[in-house]
Amino acid sequence: KNEVEQSPQNLTAQEGEFITINCSYSVGISALHWLQQHPGGGIVSLFMLSSGKKKHGRLIATINIQEKHSSLHITASHPRDSAVYICAVPNYGGSQGNLIFGKGTKLSVKP
Amino acid sequence: GAGVSQSPSNKVTEKGKDVELRCDPISGHTALYWYRQSLGQGLEFLIYFQGNSAPDKSGLPSDRFSAERTGGSVSTLTIQRTQQEDSAVYLCASSLAQGPGTQYFGPGTRLLVL
Repeated sequence: KNEVEQSPQNLTAQEGEFITINCSYSVGISALHWLQQHPGGGIVSLFMLSSGKKKHGRLIATINIQEKHSSLHITASHPRDSAVYICAVPNYGGSQGNLIFGKGTKLSVKP
Repeated sequence: GAGVSQSPSNKVTEKGKDVELRCDPISGHTALYWYRQSLGQGLEFLIYFQGNSAPDKSGLPSDRFSAERTGGSVSTLTIQRTQQEDSAVYLCASSLAQGPGTQYFGPGTRLLVL
């Protein structure tokens, strides 16, 4: 069974700062998910990645399969980026669809 | 197109009653997942469906929980004899196929057991 560790648990930043959130897991996988949970509770899938790097707007996700580690970066952070960011991986490794989740990183960006 | 929908959005029930939670996945999505998020806790997996079959029920917390999916579309999560510890947000997600595909989440059903 996979285990997921996220850090930091809480993060406060000033608008414009570069943000990094880290995720590590214990069992080899073929894909990792980054999710965003808004203060109202809705969950949005940000990225699903298997290798290398993906970029969407100011968000960048990287993964190192050998080291079992992924990072989510936010460039030029904005108060609207305030949310909980969650890393998720297949529960039993490989390419299974059912996910196990990190505890999340609560990001607060101050104007 | 329409996203994943769930109903009801909120449910308050008395301890011992049965509840049914419904999920309508995105049309054409063969994989459907149920997750739970208790207050202050992270997301936890409950069950997933590939078509109408449920290959993995390992996340269901007790035999009071069951789920079914009919016609490869709508799914119902049933909790019998609800307990206060069942209070949580129940989230449904769907994806095109089993495996490492992007999962699209519904808005959730907030269940409160008094």
